[in-house]
Amino acid sequence: EPEVTQTPSHQVTQMGQEVILRCVPISNHLYFYWYRQILGQKVEFLVSFYNNEISEKSEIFDDQFSVERPDGSNFTLKIRSTKLEDSAMYFCASKEGSGYNEQFFGPGTRLTVL
Amino acid sequence: QKEVEQDPGPLSVPEGAIVSLNCTYSNSAFQYFMWYRQYSRKGPELLMYTYSSGNKEDGRFTAQVDKSSKYISLFIRDSQPSDSATYLCATLKTSYDKVIFGPGTSLSVIP
Repeated sequence: EPEVTQTPSHQVTQMGQEVILRCVPISNHLYFYWYRQILGQKVEFLVSFYNNEISEKSEIFDDQFSVERPDGSNFTLKIRSTKLEDSAMYFCASKEGSGYNEQFFGPGTRLTVL
Repeated sequence: QKEVEQDPGPLSVPEGAIVSLNCTYSNSAFQYFMWYRQYSRKGPELLMYTYSSGNKEDGRFTAQVDKSSKYISLFIRDSQPSDSATYLCATLKTSYDKVIFGPGTSLSVIP
């Protein structure tokens, strides 16, 4: 069964460093999303991406964040200068097309900022 | 007012019990209502979705949506230890919209 994959599973970084979280969405999917979940809190939307551009972003997704689909398979989230409060699980999700269909979530990348 | 609210629990039940999980939402524009299951340190996994009001059954799981009271429920019959997880209710305004999650209810089914 096709699935969303994410690498790395755990990333530890120093405050102020740049990190790139990688996702491989399901191959025929067209809509892509990043969410995050701070430990003990709810899953929160960060950004959606369709047709090679950002469709919507939340207040969390400030200038320190960027997303890219560098080729036909990868979808990345970059945090330019990490802060302690960026420590969270980051989930990538993808969806096939318009109309209701399921957003499939990846297993997540646990980001720890020291 | 939070968009989606649910009792965080934890909820602990004996194996075989009927479990009732509930959720409320604030925005009448929401059209799609979902229940996700999340195991520790894993991504959310869709259990069921409902469009607008009504009931939907899938095996041991039944989802109910009452748009008039903005109330969402998930019932689990004959609960199993493998059902132990956090259950997230969630909504969408449109089919391509972002998912808005509730905080989740932690469920433990004791053998």
